[in-house]
Amino acid sequence: AQRVTQPEKLLSVFKGAPVELKCNYSYSGSPELFWYVQYSRQRLQLLLRHISRESIKGFTADLNKGETSFHLKKPFAQEEDSAMYYCALIPRTAGNKLTFGGGTRVLVKP
Amino acid sequence: DTAVSQTPKYLVTQMGNDKSIKCEQNLGHDTMYWYKQDSKKFLKIMFSYNNKELIINETVPNRFSPKSPDKAHLNLHINSLELGDSAVYFCASSPDSNNEQFFGPGTRLTVL
Repeated sequence: AQRVTQPEKLLSVFKGAPVELKCNYSYSGSPELFWYVQYSRQRLQLLLRHISRESIKGFTADLNKGETSFHLKKPFAQEEDSAMYYCALIPRTAGNKLTFGGGTRVLVKP
Repeated sequence: DTAVSQTPKYLVTQMGNDKSIKCEQNLGHDTMYWYKQDSKKFLKIMFSYNNKELIINETVPNRFSPKSPDKAHLNLHINSLELGDSAVYFCASSPDSNNEQFFGPGTRLTVL
């Protein structure tokens, strides 16, 4: 069974500082990985997925199969980045399901 | 033009009651889901339906029964509510199970 671990429950950084949210996964096959974000009082929404290799709102994430990680990074955090971030995995098999990590709350201080 | 909608937004009820949460999506997606987010913000899938057929049924009590009258709707009925059922319940949909999921605004259930 797949598992997603986000070791940090809370990350507090100052505006303009770099921020990195760690995500490690365990899955024997080839997964699809995502980062979802939930801003205060808003619904959960997709931030980015590894196959698109895009930078969204200045965030990037690289899939490292050797380390089974998919860390999310942004070089200069902004106050509007304060939110709850979830790393998630879908295995590429039939009947697959999205498994979320425990979430990391990011607080960007002015 | 809300993509995934849920009603009600808030639900406060007594232990032992039966309640339903409704979900509708107007995206034409084939797959719909129910998730539970507990007080520690941990998100866990409960059910998944594809074209009205149940495809994922995680270990949830039998008191929870999803119903999909058509592809655009997935309702969640909960019998004999317990204190531990208090949580935020999110509905979601996706074109298929490999794709991005679109979430509803959530229903905050409080059981007294």
